[in-house]
Amino acid sequence: QKEVEQNSGPLSVPEGAIASLNCTYSDRGSQSFFWYRQYSGKSPELIMFIYSNGDKEDGRFTAQLNKASQYVSLLIRDSQPSDSATYLCAVIPPPNNAGNMLTFGGGTRLMVKP
Amino acid sequence: EAGVTQSPTHLIKTRGQQATLRCSPISGHTSVYWYQQALGLGLQFLLWYDEGEERNRGNFPPRFSGRQFPNYSSELNVNALELEDSALYLCASSLGHLVLTNEKLFFGSGTQLSVL
Repeated sequence: QKEVEQNSGPLSVPEGAIASLNCTYSDRGSQSFFWYRQYSGKSPELIMFIYSNGDKEDGRFTAQLNKASQYVSLLIRDSQPSDSATYLCAVIPPPNNAGNMLTFGGGTRLMVKP
Repeated sequence: EAGVTQSPTHLIKTRGQQATLRCSPISGHTSVYWYQQALGLGLQFLLWYDEGEERNRGNFPPRFSGRQFPNYSSELNVNALELEDSALYLCASSLGHLVLTNEKLFFGSGTQLSVL
């Protein structure tokens, strides 16, 4: 089982709709969760982070975390064609994991159609 | 304030050669991470350096190595290049220990390594 799993997509939504991206993780003690956006040929850009259960909103983006179910999601409201990119979910493991590295899912490709 | 900078942007090598990639972290950041992103694959953790020491490495052969200098910049060296080493190599930095301090990771623009 992969540590961080995402549906590779592509997820296709019409412009103006809500895009919902999901991610599950295997290590129950994981403590910090991040969403990165990566345009083709570019480096990942941090867009959201969440540490506590519940929702966190930032502009058109909402991150949702449910530690009991071990999933984290990203909602993008009023999707725009410029949101078309690959969205990477990343997790920091619990303190008993000596790795101290961010573990990434494979990413979900989002396509927003005008 | 400058972000994470990487050089060169592109690097073309042939099989068996060595490649050296360079990274300068965000000012004040002491931890540097290297990731490999092969075409169609996810980000794979390579190496983590902090305060000049290698702290952890991912599941890569020993021909992938590196170092961190006193100014916290870093080099990634790949010896005996193989075709499958062709990938985007990303450097990232953080202010402190990710796990202990809930810090965030910021990426450079990457070096595209092509092995012919």
